[in-house]
Amino acid sequence: RKEVEQDPGPFNVPEGATVAFNCTYSNSASQSFFWYRQDCRKEPKLLMSVYSSGNEDGRFTAQLNRASQYISLLIRDSKLSDSATYLCVVNSSTGANNLFFGTGTRLTVIP
Amino acid sequence: DGGITQSPKYLFRKEGQNVTLSCEQNLNHDAMYWYRQDPGQGLRLIYYSQIVNDFQKGDIAEGYSVSREKKESFPLTVTSAQKNPTAFYLCASSHRRQGTNTEAFFGQGTRLTVV
Repeated sequence: RKEVEQDPGPFNVPEGATVAFNCTYSNSASQSFFWYRQDCRKEPKLLMSVYSSGNEDGRFTAQLNRASQYISLLIRDSKLSDSATYLCVVNSSTGANNLFFGTGTRLTVIP
Repeated sequence: DGGITQSPKYLFRKEGQNVTLSCEQNLNHDAMYWYRQDPGQGLRLIYYSQIVNDFQKGDIAEGYSVSREKKESFPLTVTSAQKNPTAFYLCASSHRRQGTNTEAFFGQGTRLTVV
């Protein structure tokens, strides 16, 4: 079983829509969680960390569900500029290689 | 400005040649990583290093080699043994805090093409 699994999409949504992505992780001892954004042919960039209590940054909300071992990203009022691939990253406490990346979910916001 | 720098941005290699990709960071991060990304694919870990003079194989280390002689530098050599080296290579670094790694910061990547 992969450490981190994401639905690859693509998700095609109209401008102004709300869209949500989920990501599941296999190691219950995982300690921290992140969402990254990757534009075409560019490097991934940190979008937001995911805290146990959930956190919000403008139109973006991240949630963590430890019982079910998944994290989510909600984007409200989608903009054309939100079109990108969103990567889920999990930081496990076991083993020296702590960072595990999902394969990414592709989002296209349509005018 | 603090950051992580990869060079070159584009690299062309003839079959049978070894090439070295540079990765330098001035963020004082302990951990450094090399990933490979193929079109439409996720990131796959090649090698990682948590401390100077120590590194570990990732999921796809065959045909690659690394060194970590300085904290700031983690060069990756793509050897002739790597049969399908054309890909986008990403270097990253992160802090280690309380035994775990914090979020990773990426360089701009090197796009390697075999000609």
